[in-house]
Amino acid sequence: EAGVAQSPRYKIIEKRQSVAFWCNPISGHATLYWYQQILGQGPKLLIQFQNNGVVDDSQLPKDRFSAERLKGVDSTLKIQPAKLEDSAVYLCASSFSSYEQYFGPGTRLTVT
Amino acid sequence: GDSVTQMEGPVTLSEEAFLTINCTYTATGYPSLFWYVQYPGEGLQLLLKATKADDKGSNKGFEATYRKETTSFHLEKGSVQVSDSAVYFCALKGGSNYKLTFGKGTLLTVNP
Repeated sequence: EAGVAQSPRYKIIEKRQSVAFWCNPISGHATLYWYQQILGQGPKLLIQFQNNGVVDDSQLPKDRFSAERLKGVDSTLKIQPAKLEDSAVYLCASSFSSYEQYFGPGTRLTVT
Repeated sequence: GDSVTQMEGPVTLSEEAFLTINCTYTATGYPSLFWYVQYPGEGLQLLLKATKADDKGSNKGFEATYRKETTSFHLEKGSVQVSDSAVYFCALKGGSNYKLTFGKGTLLTVNP
């Protein structure tokens, strides 16, 4: 069974630029999560989708971050404009039920 | 809100030494508890879990017991190997949308 796929694996941008990350969950997983993991900290949930609906986006900085999952399968997370403090690893995870989450390898973003 | 506090790292051990990584939590209700492991360059993997008080999760020689009276879920292994070198995250899942809340992570390095 293929795991959660993410791209790109690495991205370097300048502040005020925009960036997008892509995630393809495990086939059949209805729930998709985006986490932000800042160096030295644990992952923090940014947004949770159930199919193509948003379940929780309470910690998503909506003035600059947006996410969509239009067909209930893959998802994109966008940052526009980026700030220095957005440098982090962005993790995507998916789950079949609300229980065990499977994580992708992450996208490491560096904002200079 | 929910929170997880885990032992500050880094932890450096010699091969075959005994490992303990402390984890305590604050949560309303009866959360499920997890340990995740992140090997260099990889995504998070579920190591073990426990869903109710006094449950013991175990996997790959690692164990952790859900202690409601002390709100703890300490990770232990009797004899570590070099291949156990990784970052370990304690996490809890509670609330209506089953959001995962992570600790900051503990870096373990095992020397031969």
